[in-house]
Amino acid sequence: DVKVTQSSRYLVKRTGEKVFLECVQDMDHENMFWYRQDPGLGLRLIYFSYDVKMKEKGDIPEGYSVSREKKERFSLILESASTNQTSMYLCASSPFMGALVYEQYFGPGTRLTVT
Amino acid sequence: DQQVKQNSPSLSVQEGRISILNCDYTNSMFDYFLWYKKYPAEGPTFLISISSIKDKNEDGRFTVFLNKSAKHLSLHIVPSQPGDSAVYFCAASAEGAQKLVFGQGTRLTINP
Repeated sequence: DVKVTQSSRYLVKRTGEKVFLECVQDMDHENMFWYRQDPGLGLRLIYFSYDVKMKEKGDIPEGYSVSREKKERFSLILESASTNQTSMYLCASSPFMGALVYEQYFGPGTRLTVT
Repeated sequence: DQQVKQNSPSLSVQEGRISILNCDYTNSMFDYFLWYKKYPAEGPTFLISISSIKDKNEDGRFTVFLNKSAKHLSLHIVPSQPGDSAVYFCAASAEGAQKLVFGQGTRLTINP
């Protein structure tokens, strides 16, 4: 079974704090993704990575950065948290299948509140 | 620019009846479509998918239909059960693109 774990289920941070969200997958997947989920907006892609030290911007990268130093770990960083970054953050992974698309496996999510 | 749209934020269905969830897309390059189910406080889980070379895919109580000319897909759940109450997301991808584009989600409630 694929397992994607996220470091925290709930997190409360203050405006201006630097926030790290960690994600680890145990299936040797090449691709890893960070999304945020907001009511009425669905899942929006923040960043993704298809290999160690590689990253690509998603649809809403502003205010975020990422780090992938090891294949199994993908970190999302909020350099200076703001209240509009209060959201549910979801990490996902999938194998690289070339021209084929494969389903993504999701972690349980981190509910981040910025006050 | 929402490339994948789920225009019904919520749907309520009687237990035992059919649930039909709809999804529209605008990008003609999309050729692979997936449905995910999400319970509160959990991550989405994959439900069923369909490639653009097919117009129907079935898995137990779940069937996905694809109408390429209308750029529309639907998920049918028959019969609906209380455990099906969740938020359902459709997602799409283009060939060679490793990322998915998700819709806004539809909250399905199955009433006893």
